[in-house]
Amino acid sequence: KAGVTQTPRYLIKTRGQQVTLSCSPISGHRSVSWYQQTPGQGLQFLFEYFSETQRNKGNFPGRFSGRQFSNSRSEMNVSTLELGDSALYLCASSFRYGGGREQYFGPGTRLTVT
Amino acid sequence: DQQVKQNSPSLSVQEGRISILNCDYTNSMFDYFLWYKKYPAEGPTFLISISSIKDKNEDGRFTVFLNKSAKHLSLHIVPSQPGDSAVYFCAATPLRDDKIIFGKGTRLHILP
Repeated sequence: KAGVTQTPRYLIKTRGQQVTLSCSPISGHRSVSWYQQTPGQGLQFLFEYFSETQRNKGNFPGRFSGRQFSNSRSEMNVSTLELGDSALYLCASSFRYGGGREQYFGPGTRLTVT
Repeated sequence: DQQVKQNSPSLSVQEGRISILNCDYTNSMFDYFLWYKKYPAEGPTFLISISSIKDKNEDGRFTVFLNKSAKHLSLHIVPSQPGDSAVYFCAATPLRDDKIIFGKGTRLHILP
């Protein structure tokens, strides 16, 4: 069974631009969660989508948004990029809502904002 | 407000010895705790978990201890092996089906 895939793996953008990241979950998984990893803050929860609905949201500004498609693939969008948005963005999929230990992470997308 | 704290950014341990990684939490509503391991250029992988109704859970070389009164948990790795060199994240959730709160991670170096 293929694992969680994230595209692109690396991205360089300039301040003010917007970016869209993609996550394809493991086949059969309906939940996708997004996390931001930075050296100073560790792994921070962004949001979770389950069956195309946002079920949970972390403490991030409205510039961060996401969506999930009927095939469970998810996209995350960041508008008006700031230097502080440079981070590794990870997505995780699970069969059921919440996931807990059953979350499987992708390799991440490394975003650099210059 | 950091609800899950890993106060040691890094830890070096001799191969074959015991590695002890610590984690403190502030939210008394947390009742399920997890440890994840992360290698560079890979996503975190689940290692071991513990429910608040237990004080110890063991899986091979990995044991997690939970002290609810102190709001403290620790991960013991015995014996430590070179492949254990990675970043370890402590995480907690108030319910098994709720969002997971991660700590900042501890980088473990296993020395030859």
